[in-house]
Amino acid sequence: DAGVIQSPRHEVTEMGQEVTLRCKPISGHNSLFWYRQTMMRGLELLIYFNNNVPIDDSGMPEDRFSAKMPNASFSTLKIQPSEPRDSAVYFCASSLDLGGSGNTIYFGEGSWLTVV
Amino acid sequence: AQKITQTQPGMFVQEKEAVTLDCTYDTSDPSYGLFWYKQPSSGEMIFLIYQGSYDQQNATEGRYSLNFQKARKSANLVISASQLGDSAMYFCAMRETYYNQGGKLIFGQGTELSVKP
Repeated sequence: DAGVIQSPRHEVTEMGQEVTLRCKPISGHNSLFWYRQTMMRGLELLIYFNNNVPIDDSGMPEDRFSAKMPNASFSTLKIQPSEPRDSAVYFCASSLDLGGSGNTIYFGEGSWLTVV
Repeated sequence: AQKITQTQPGMFVQEKEAVTLDCTYDTSDPSYGLFWYKQPSSGEMIFLIYQGSYDQQNATEGRYSLNFQKARKSANLVISASQLGDSAMYFCAMRETYYNQGGKLIFGQGTELSVKP
């Protein structure tokens, strides 16, 4: 079975440019998460969706960040305009949410973003 | 509020020996799940093991076991017979659940494990 698929795997962009990260969750999963990982702050939850609806976006740093989930199999995280401090690994993750171990969240391989 | 604490920034273990990675948590909710993830130097986050708050027995998955002490709010990961490939960062995480719907997953700071040959 395919896992969570993220693209691009690596991106280097100039400050001020728009960045769009993409995610395809595991088929059938009903919750989707975007996390950011940096050395300084560790793993931070940015936003999560349940059944395509944003449930908690309190971790979104500021208005430059936006996330959408137009359907059950696709989500985007957009940064506009990008800044050097946005450099991080961005993980997308998904879960089935059937209770118990069915609440396990599975991660994609991450998108490594560098803003210069 | 939820909180996960991993007090060991780094650990060393000799190959073939067992090692325990500590994790304590804080929550006021009765229903939650505890997870451990492994992050090797390549960067991916690999799910290792799950323990539910109502589970009576400690979870085991191959060489991984979770020492769950609910009253002490601890969920330590035990890796038996360490292998060189176990060298990685290990994260403890917790997720509250509501009627089979999962809430957000929060992570501890991580413990970097190094296995010596």
